[in-house]
Amino acid sequence: NAGVTQTPKFQVLKTGQSMTLQCAQDMNHNSMYWYRQDPGMGLRLIYYSASEGTTDKGEVPNGYNVSRLNKREFSLRLESAAPSQTSVYFCASSGGRLAAFQETQYFGPGTRLLVL
Amino acid sequence: QKEVEQNSGPLSVPEGAIASLNCTYSDRGSQSFFWYRQYSGKSPELIMFIYSNGDKEDGRFTAQLNKASQYVSLLIRDSQPSDSATYLCAVSTGGFKTIFGAGTRLFVKA
Repeated sequence: NAGVTQTPKFQVLKTGQSMTLQCAQDMNHNSMYWYRQDPGMGLRLIYYSASEGTTDKGEVPNGYNVSRLNKREFSLRLESAAPSQTSVYFCASSGGRLAAFQETQYFGPGTRLLVL
Repeated sequence: QKEVEQNSGPLSVPEGAIASLNCTYSDRGSQSFFWYRQYSGKSPELIMFIYSNGDKEDGRFTAQLNKASQYVSLLIRDSQPSDSATYLCAVSTGGFKTIFGAGTRLFVKA
């Protein structure tokens, strides 16, 4: 049981380049999330997917797009990277068996992104 | 703007002491409260959750919730050097959006 996996672990981009961060979970969870973590600011929700086939904006969605490819996979795309998107990105999932506000989230190992 | 506030620390305690971590939140409609531990360079992992006013104990950890005062705390008894990490307070007001505090760094001195 790998839990939540993310690729790549590290990435360096130039301003304007695009890339997709991949996330997969093998816990049969319904809900998945993308966060960014910046020093002194905690985790901020970018997008989430309550269930397969749905996606919604979080607190900081500008500059990002997401795709819930299937129940297991949830990808985050940066169409035109900017230095302000330098951050650590975490994917998370939760079961969806309790009410959403009661669910524990399980996090992947993170992707460290540097945009020059 | 819904906020979750934590003292950034570092909070330094000697081994075997009680570490007390505090968190305040702004939204009175908050329903669920979580404490996550995050080691340097690693991802957050759940320590405890609490939904109701009062105390909840799990091993060396006790979560305390006071909705009237809008604060939640985490006590770590018999602190160990392995407890040295950043502790994130997280609050959910319902739905799928959870607000995380910036975290408190805890350092347990051997």
